[in-house]
Amino acid sequence: GAGVSQTPSNKVTEKGKYVELRCDPISGHTALYWYRQSLGQGPEFLIYFQGTGAADDSGLPNDRFFAVRPEGSVSTLKIQRTERGDSAVYLCASSLATGGISGANVLTFGAGSRLTVL
Amino acid sequence: QKEVEQDPGPLSVPEGAIVSLNCTYSNSAFQYFMWYRQYSRKGPELLMYTYSSGNKEDGRFTAQVDKSSKYISLFIRDSQPSDSATYLCAMSRPPSNTGKLIFGQGTTLQVKP
Repeated sequence: GAGVSQTPSNKVTEKGKYVELRCDPISGHTALYWYRQSLGQGPEFLIYFQGTGAADDSGLPNDRFFAVRPEGSVSTLKIQRTERGDSAVYLCASSLATGGISGANVLTFGAGSRLTVL
Repeated sequence: QKEVEQDPGPLSVPEGAIVSLNCTYSNSAFQYFMWYRQYSRKGPELLMYTYSSGNKEDGRFTAQVDKSSKYISLFIRDSQPSDSATYLCAMSRPPSNTGKLIFGQGTTLQVKP
């Protein structure tokens, strides 16, 4: 597609429920990132995929969070047993390549999925 | 203490003013420095990208990096109401790729007509 598409745009759930957030990156972009942005804060890195594999998941806060990218395109962020503190905007970004200094490393962000845990 | 500090504002200026936005950081390993603009309910979009120290200009925008002071700036000349947004500084360090970014808190800017 023309940009990074994220669904749903808004999700309200109850504490303890399971949630899936989907990201459809720009066609041909091999690198995909998930960030989390809490209210009034900058985005925080969660996980990065190069192709199908998670190259760096050091930002995932705990084992309730998991992400997959089985075919190297669409990615799903999964949150188990949601807590009120998980409420945030979850941003997905993609880029053509990684490393070095190149316009190909520019991250294009989606509009985000706003998660509210009641 | 956060690795990247940014005054959240809000900053309000009249149309046509020069705007100065700043970030400080603590980790001298940072080598890639970026400024993103984020409109309400949208994702961040890249404005400027600088490697190491120096200045970079793009139209009304100028980015400066002073690694000796661990200080980066974004200047906006002839500010317009359409510049009203949140401005996020971001940086990254090797060996990680430039997509794993550390963001500042963001500064909210309002340009009044």
